[in-house]
Amino acid sequence: DAEITQSPRHKITETGRQVTLACHQTWNHNNMFWYRQDLGHGLRLIHYSYGVQDTNKGEVSDGYSVSRSNTEDLPLTLESAASSQTSVYFCASSESGGARGEQYFGPGTRLTVT
Amino acid sequence: AQTVTQSQPEMSVQEAETVTLSCTYDTSENNYYLFWYKQPPSRQMILVIRQEAYKQQNATENRFSVNFQKAAKSFSLKISDSQLGDTAMYFCAFMNQRSGTYKYIFGTGTRLKVLA
Repeated sequence: DAEITQSPRHKITETGRQVTLACHQTWNHNNMFWYRQDLGHGLRLIHYSYGVQDTNKGEVSDGYSVSRSNTEDLPLTLESAASSQTSVYFCASSESGGARGEQYFGPGTRLTVT
Repeated sequence: AQTVTQSQPEMSVQEAETVTLSCTYDTSENNYYLFWYKQPPSRQMILVIRQEAYKQQNATENRFSVNFQKAAKSFSLKISDSQLGDTAMYFCAFMNQRSGTYKYIFGTGTRLKVLA
């Protein structure tokens, strides 16, 4: 069965370190998204991609970067982790072109920055 | 810019009763999708129901139905015969149907607790 996976599921890191969160999907979807979930804010879009070599900033992109070198993967990098980036991170994917918009979500990564 | 508002941070309902979660949104677009997602304690996001704005008929999925009021920009979720497994965080989401646009805007969520 097709799926979307995230790794690691839990991560503790120190302020200032670079951290990369992995997202891998086997749906063959063109669209991929990274969100962060914080109490009182719901899910907020960090970055998204509509295809290989395409990346776009979301509403909370400062301090994060992504790259899309193939269809399956969209890694999220925190260049210099800050305590404000402690959160739960979700990756999602969806079809493009005539699709009905459903996004398929990964299980999430809980990141703690100390 | 579009916004999505869920004004009920927390709600509770007795098992087997009916509960309605509210969602309002703001957009100048005419064609769009609206979604309700469920996030149980496992954290996995699950699509509950979807509504296309051009359809006047309200979407239903088993015990879940929506009341879509396009003019009022309201999209509430009704859960009938509530079950303990319905205990979860519920998020309302908006997606523009404009060609080439697939990103969501989420509300802040409503935490629903079903009581035995």
